[in-house]
Amino acid sequence: QSALTQPPSASGSPGQSVTISCTGTSSDVGGYNYVSWYQQHPGKAPKLMIFEVSERPSGVPDRFSGSKSGNTASLTVSGLQAEDEADYYCSSYAGSNNLVFGGGTKLTVL
Amino acid sequence: QLQLQESGPGLVKPSETLSLTCTVSGGSISSSSYYWGWIRQPPGKGLEWIGNIYYSGSTYYNPSLKSRVTISVDTSQNQFSLKLSSVTAADTAVYYCARRTTRAWFDPWGQGTLVTVSS
Repeated sequence: QSALTQPPSASGSPGQSVTISCTGTSSDVGGYNYVSWYQQHPGKAPKLMIFEVSERPSGVPDRFSGSKSGNTASLTVSGLQAEDEADYYCSSYAGSNNLVFGGGTKLTVL
Repeated sequence: QLQLQESGPGLVKPSETLSLTCTVSGGSISSSSYYWGWIRQPPGKGLEWIGNIYYSGSTYYNPSLKSRVTISVDTSQNQFSLKLSSVTAADTAVYYCARRTTRAWFDPWGQGTLVTVSS
């Protein structure tokens, strides 16, 4: 199984919206509604931000939203804030109890 | 509140076996609703799923690591463990343990522990 494809970097100014893509195949992203997104600040453990494509855990601001079309999932951060600057990783179920992560996207708030 | 904590040696010699334990507190590892997983992150790189275990002992491994990985569970101690054999410098990483749902998302995560492979 290959890693999901994410852009290495993304950026936006405070208050703007930014979308991060996560492209897989019909065997992972396209085949299941089990895509999740994680935020990771430097030196910290990843934090769950979105699960099952578009669901938000309790405590995650509604500025974070997720969607999926075909083999590509997306994370959108609206109303960018300085604290949103972090690395973001997508993950997908890949069948037979396998999981795959994306390579990560570094989000910079300008 | 469920918490996970990794423990084990921070330095392992090449060709030896890396061994880590994850202690779960604030909840039971015997819950039928969850799996328990290991994920690693080489310095400056992305996340890599290593494998999961169910409380019954059923295991699922990343195909790329399957020949070297063993994950086990000790329900009496509320712990699960990782063994990775024949390590090389490429196995140097921060190793995280996490609770995995049946719908394939991880939450919460342990704080992570850095394991360096070096002689």
